[in-house]
Amino acid sequence: NAGVTQTPKFQVLKTGQSMTLQCAQDMNHEYMSWYRQDPGMGLRLIHYSVGAGITDQGEVPNGYNVSRSTTEDFPLRLLSAAPSQTSVYFCASSYQGRLYGYTFGSGTRLTVV
Amino acid sequence: GENVEQHPSTLSVQEGDSAVIKCTYSDSASNYFPWYKQELGKGPQLIIDIRSNVGEKKDQRIAVTLNKTAKHFSLHITETQPEDSAVYFCAAMPSGGYQKVTFGTGTKLQVIP
Repeated sequence: NAGVTQTPKFQVLKTGQSMTLQCAQDMNHEYMSWYRQDPGMGLRLIHYSVGAGITDQGEVPNGYNVSRSTTEDFPLRLLSAAPSQTSVYFCASSYQGRLYGYTFGSGTRLTVV
Repeated sequence: GENVEQHPSTLSVQEGDSAVIKCTYSDSASNYFPWYKQELGKGPQLIIDIRSNVGEKKDQRIAVTLNKTAKHFSLHITETQPEDSAVYFCAAMPSGGYQKVTFGTGTKLQVIP
């Protein structure tokens, strides 16, 4: 039982480059989400999904796209990376409709130069 | 929307002493309060949670208390050990959906051997 798997763990991008952060879970969780963590800012929600084919914006969605074609996978795409997107990104999943905590991945540390 | 304040931002204790982290929330609709522990270089991990129909919950050396009238909840760690050193996050969630979860800004706990 792997839980939530994020790849890559580290990434350096040049301004303007694009990339996809991968997230996969094997717990059959309906709810999946992406957070970014910046010093002093806590965890901020980027995008979330309540099931395959359904996505919505969170608190800080600009510059990011998501899709949810399967229950297991929830990739996050940076279309044109900017230095302001330098952060640690976490994917999290949980059951929808019930009060349970999240299972987080181990994170992707992204640096945009 | 919900606002969660967490104090203190840093906390140093001697090994064996107790540590207390406090959070306040603003939305009376919040009824689920999880706590997460984040070790260096890892994703947050759920360590304990409490629902609004319970005033206190304990799991070995960790306990959480909830005062719904005052809208605050606290994490108590007794007999602290060096491995308790980490960043701790509180969160508040209404039953309306996970996208409405709000995290505190975190407390960095250092346990001095």
